Amino acid sequence: AQSVTQLDSQVPVFEEAPVELRCNYSSSVSVYLFWYVQYPNQGLQLLLKYLSGSTLVKGINGFEAEFNKSQTSFHLRKPSVHISDTAEYFCAVSERGYQKVTFGTGTKLQVIP
Amino acid sequence: DTAVSQTPKYLVTQMGNDKSIKCEQNLGHDTMYWYKQDSKKFLKIMFSYNNKELIINETVPNRFSPKSPDKAHLNLHINSLELGDSAVYFCASSQVGQTGEQYFGPGTRLTVT
Repeated sequence: AQSVTQLDSQVPVFEEAPVELRCNYSSSVSVYLFWYVQYPNQGLQLLLKYLSGSTLVKGINGFEAEFNKSQTSFHLRKPSVHISDTAEYFCAVSERGYQKVTFGTGTKLQVIP
Repeated sequence: DTAVSQTPKYLVTQMGNDKSIKCEQNLGHDTMYWYKQDSKKFLKIMFSYNNKELIINETVPNRFSPKSPDKAHLNLHINSLELGDSAVYFCASSQVGQTGEQYFGPGTRLTVT
């Protein structure tokens, strides 16, 4: 069975500072990995995804994530955050060939002016 | 054009009532989902349909009954509403054979009083 752990429930960071949101997963087979963002009172939208190939994945709004198979991690990073990045971020995993996606518990990113 | 739409956006009702939430997607996807997001933002899958066939049914009370009249629609009917049903319900869709990436609707905030 697959599972996802987001280690931080809240991450406060000052505007223009870098940020890293941590995600670890567990699965016995090959996986796809995702980061979704949820702005207040909205649905989730895909930020980026890792399918295969290069372990560094770039997404929208200047975010990137690095897949580390040995550490079973998929941490999300941004070199300089903006107020508009304040949102809930969800890491997710799906096992290849299986439609079920398992979401982490979310990390609330609070950007402080 | 809205890819995944839900109605209503807000639903306030009393305990014991029966209510329905509707979802439609115009992406041509063959798989649709219902998720429940609680007040702590935890996202839990409830059901998944593939081409009108139920493929995922998590441990959800049988007061919840999904119905898929065609692959573009997935409705959720809830009988005998309880206080604990208060949450935001999200519909999502994806395409089998692709990467598991899901597209979410804007959510329906259900409040049971």
